[in-house]
Amino acid sequence: SAVISQKPSRDICQRGTSLTIQCQVDSQVTMMFWYRQQPGQSLTLIATANQGSEATYESGFVIDKFPISRPNLTFSTLTVSNMSPEDSSIYLCSVESTSGIISDTQYFGPGTRLTVL
Amino acid sequence: QKEVEQNSGPLSVPEGAIASLNCTYSDRGSQSFFWYRQYSGKSPELIMFIYSNGDKEDGRFTAQLNKASQYVSLLIRDSQPSDSATYLCGMNNQGGKLIFGQGTELSVKP
Repeated sequence: SAVISQKPSRDICQRGTSLTIQCQVDSQVTMMFWYRQQPGQSLTLIATANQGSEATYESGFVIDKFPISRPNLTFSTLTVSNMSPEDSSIYLCSVESTSGIISDTQYFGPGTRLTVL
Repeated sequence: QKEVEQNSGPLSVPEGAIASLNCTYSDRGSQSFFWYRQYSGKSPELIMFIYSNGDKEDGRFTAQLNKASQYVSLLIRDSQPSDSATYLCGMNNQGGKLIFGQGTELSVKP
């Protein structure tokens, strides 16, 4: 599977500010995804990051709040804008495997733990 | 109805026992099913995937899929304290999105 890194691994931010999270993969991948995991909860898909076009957002998530960039096939960023304490979560990027018959398997990065005060 | 449902637990089993984790889903068109393990403070780690009805075994893990009854399960044989984690059931829905259940917390007692 691909090796995925995220930066920062954690951060504590003040409300009203923005944080950009980076996701780097060691190989080219077509599909990259951003998830949120709130405390004690499961994973919720925020958006699919598409290379060369706008991200596709899930219901309840909007581009103004979570702008995403995907400049190439190995890198993506997610920005959490105008943060409030409700944005305190773990944010994870994932990539879809391109290996043969398991092409729809996703692998996750280590996550970014965000606390908003 | 949630697309993927799991008992949140916690499920507690003694060391050496079989742990049985269950998951039901609503989308009959789903084709791919996954089990992820998540240790506290860590990201999810893929441990099993299954596409076909029946059983799939990998070491101490067996995934079972029954599409007619819309459930998928994970059996962990000879459970070890190191298996203590939250197990997430996921499936690809017809829109191609990976949807997760709420996760089952497993505790294996020495």
